[in-house]
Order: sequence, then C-alpha cells, then structure tokens
Amino acid sequence: DIQMTQSPSSLSASVGDTVTITCRASQGISNYLAWFQQKPGKAPKSLIYDASSLQSGVPLKFSGTQSGTDFTLTISSLQPEDFATYYCQQYNHYPYTFGQGTKLEIK
Amino acid sequence: EVQLVESGGGLVQPGGSLRLSCAAAGFTFNTYAMSWVRQAPGKGLEWVSAISGSATSTYYADSVKGRFTISRDNSKTTLFLQMNSLRAEDTAVYYCAAREERGYSPFDYWGQGTLVTVSS
Repeated sequence: DIQMTQSPSSLSASVGDTVTITCRASQGISNYLAWFQQKPGKAPKSLIYDASSLQSGVPLKFSGTQSGTDFTLTISSLQPEDFATYYCQQYNHYPYTFGQGTKLEIK
Repeated sequence: EVQLVESGGGLVQPGGSLRLSCAAAGFTFNTYAMSWVRQAPGKGLEWVSAISGSATSTYYADSVKGRFTISRDNSKTTLFLQMNSLRAEDTAVYYCAAREERGYSPFDYWGQGTLVTVSS
C-alpha cells in the first residue's frame, strides 16, 4: 500500500498568515493527489486535484505544488473560515490512502 | 444539483450486521465509481471500499476484507455497504464518495455521512 506521510499534524497561525502543509508519498503516484478541507461535523471538501489543479469555486489563496513524491498545499492570507483540518489523498492505486491530517488552529 | 445521501447507520452490537445505503442524484450514476470512506471519532479519513460504475470490479481495505461487501443498483442509483461481523473499531462516520470513471480521477462528490456505532 502507498503510505502518505503528512506534516505537520497541527499548526498554529494568525489571520493574514501564509501556511504550508506537506505530504510525502511512499512511492511514485504521478500527480494523482488531492487536498481536502474538513470542518467539524462536515464532509470533506475538495480543494485541489491532480496535485495543483484548483477545484471549481475554490479561492486562489489555495495552491498545490509537487516535487517528485513530495506535495505541498499552501494557504495564503488566512481568514477565520480557513481554520480547519486538511488532508491529502492519493488516487493512483487502490487502496486509496489519506495523510494523517493537519489541524490548522488560530494562534 | 448533485446529492449523495447516506442512510442505515445506527447502534449495533459487536458481531452484528448493518447495511448502509447511499442514494445518488444529479449525475450519471453508472459512469461514476463509488467509494465508502470512514472516519472514526476524532480520527482521520480511511478509505474502505470501492466499486466500478458497471459493478464488475470491487476493492476493499484489508481492515474490512471478508466482512464488508460493496454493491450498487444502477437502476435505482443507489450504493450499498453490507457490514458483517462488526467490531468496535468499525465505529465511525461512513461517507460515500463518487469519482468519474475516466482513468485516474479524484473524488468529485461526497455525502454528508452516516454514523455507525458498534457497542454492547
């Protein structure tokens, strides 16, 4: 199975900050990686697919990059509604696997 | 408008069975592969099972293989998950998710989830 190692597990930031979350795949997954945002009691919301493509309706403050098997989600100009938990997920092979999640909290 | 609505969750004793349903609307159901993804209380997301649009292929996580069965009824645009021999560690919110069958594709749609609690 492909392991997705996501870091950090938690992150404290202030409104207006820019933050970066990283996900590393245990083997090559091409660019078949998605990023999700999840708020308490809600279903995950897709932000980015194919490592760097923005889902329709998602603001440009969210961006994704790839370097080999390392993937990065950057969120700029943090607003109160951005404080949530973020997950990466590979869809290159079954079983699909998720990162452990990053909880983004207000400082 | 796309809708995925899960149902069938509830409280069940260890060793018991439960059948989850996911009613789909607003997209061409038989052209989408469907998955179940679960989330234990306070934990992360775990992919559980998937089924192709034509139902000819199914996939399972090792943690549920041999106990859970995924199926679909394309005439009723509904996805199912039959869960047998349930364990405490199966306690979770179960989400259904859809991805278009076009090679490697991400989840496009998610349901709101249904809670399964396995406890005596």
